[in-house]
Amino acid sequence: DAGVIQSPRHEVTEMGQEVTLRCKPISGHNSLFWYRQTMMRGLELLIYFNNNVPIDDSGMPEDRFSAKMPNASFSTLKIQPSEPRDSAVYFCASSSGGSQETQYFGPGTRLLVL
Amino acid sequence: SQQGEEDPQALSIQEGENATMNCSYKTSINNLQWYRQNSGRGLVHLILIRSNEREKHSGRLRVTLDTSKKSSSLLITASRAADTASYFCATNSGGYQKVTFGTGTKLQVIP
Repeated sequence: DAGVIQSPRHEVTEMGQEVTLRCKPISGHNSLFWYRQTMMRGLELLIYFNNNVPIDDSGMPEDRFSAKMPNASFSTLKIQPSEPRDSAVYFCASSSGGSQETQYFGPGTRLLVL
Repeated sequence: SQQGEEDPQALSIQEGENATMNCSYKTSINNLQWYRQNSGRGLVHLILIRSNEREKHSGRLRVTLDTSKKSSSLLITASRAADTASYFCATNSGGYQKVTFGTGTKLQVIP
């Protein structure tokens, strides 16, 4: 299996621009998670989906952030408008559910907002 | 604050020595997991221990869980330079697969 795929791997944008991060989970996994990692705040769960349905979005910082999962093989995290404080590494992870609940992480998208 | 708090925040040891990291948490859990993150990479799952288990082994890794103290420890025996990474504990609680990560321990193994 190719593992969790994220794109782009790096993104540099200017404040105010829209940013879209993409994730393809492992085939057959029914849960998908978006995380943000910074030096100051560590690893934060932003939102997670189960069977394409958002279950908990309490970690989404504010209305500028939105996430979608139109089907089992694709999810997006959008920031509009972006701000410098959004600079971070954004990880997507997926899991197959059941009793194991192990999450498999993608390589991350390193976002820099100037 | 984070559900899981790792201790110490940073640890530096010589190759061949054992490394012990601790994790404390606040609420009841279904299971606890340990992950490793190499610099610039995503997290990699190491081991999962359920709330009704007290100890688990995987290769050079040994994990213990004390639910009465709400704490867990990760022991890496005979450390190698390649073990240099950050290690996170993650607790799972509730009916959904919500996992809450701790703050991490940064381990440096000196060759």
